[in-house]
Amino acid sequence: NAGVTQTPKFQVLKTGQSMTLQCAQDMNHEYMSWYRQDPGMGLRLIHYSVGAGITDQGEVPNGYNVSRSTTEDFPLRLLSAAPSQTSVYFCASSPSGGGDEQFFGPGTRLTVL
Amino acid sequence: AQSVTQPDIHITVSEGASLELRCNYSYGATPYLFWYVQSPGQGLQLLLKYFSGDTLVQGIKGFEAEFKRSQSSFNLRKPSVHWSDAAEYFCAVVPWGAAGNKLTFGGGTRVLVKP
Repeated sequence: NAGVTQTPKFQVLKTGQSMTLQCAQDMNHEYMSWYRQDPGMGLRLIHYSVGAGITDQGEVPNGYNVSRSTTEDFPLRLLSAAPSQTSVYFCASSPSGGGDEQFFGPGTRLTVL
Repeated sequence: AQSVTQPDIHITVSEGASLELRCNYSYGATPYLFWYVQSPGQGLQLLLKYFSGDTLVQGIKGFEAEFKRSQSSFNLRKPSVHWSDAAEYFCAVVPWGAAGNKLTFGGGTRVLVKP
């Protein structure tokens, strides 16, 4: 099992550009989430999904879109990048809710100029 | 407001010495409690978790944590630190009964290990 994979590992964007961060898992997990990590703030939840076709907002959803068409994939879209979105992004998955262990990907470091 | 607090931003410890990292939470009911570790440039790995029962929880890599309801704390400990324990440590919670499996993290504690 590859676990949770994320692409790309690094990305530099200009303000106003759009891009999609890819996340895939091969563990057949129902739950998937996106977090962003900023210094001193830990990780904050952007969006999450409890199954294919079901998504919801987390703590910091503004400027980000998600969709979940398959169990395996959970892409994160930035429609118009802003410097405030410079961060490290982590995708995670878990079998279900109720405090199940979440498995994290290696992260994508995004810089918006 | 619901929150998770890690009071220590940085801790420096000598190799072989003991380590304790503090975590306090503010929730109406005891949430699910977790400790994660992040090595430099890596993702997060679960060290241990607490749901109920025995308040002393054993985890991987020789770590343990003690849940104290009266203090709303979930402190992480290791009796003897190795150089490979240098990393950032995050306390996190999932509120009991909350929809999804939404982790709320503390700000993290960075641990430096002196030879």
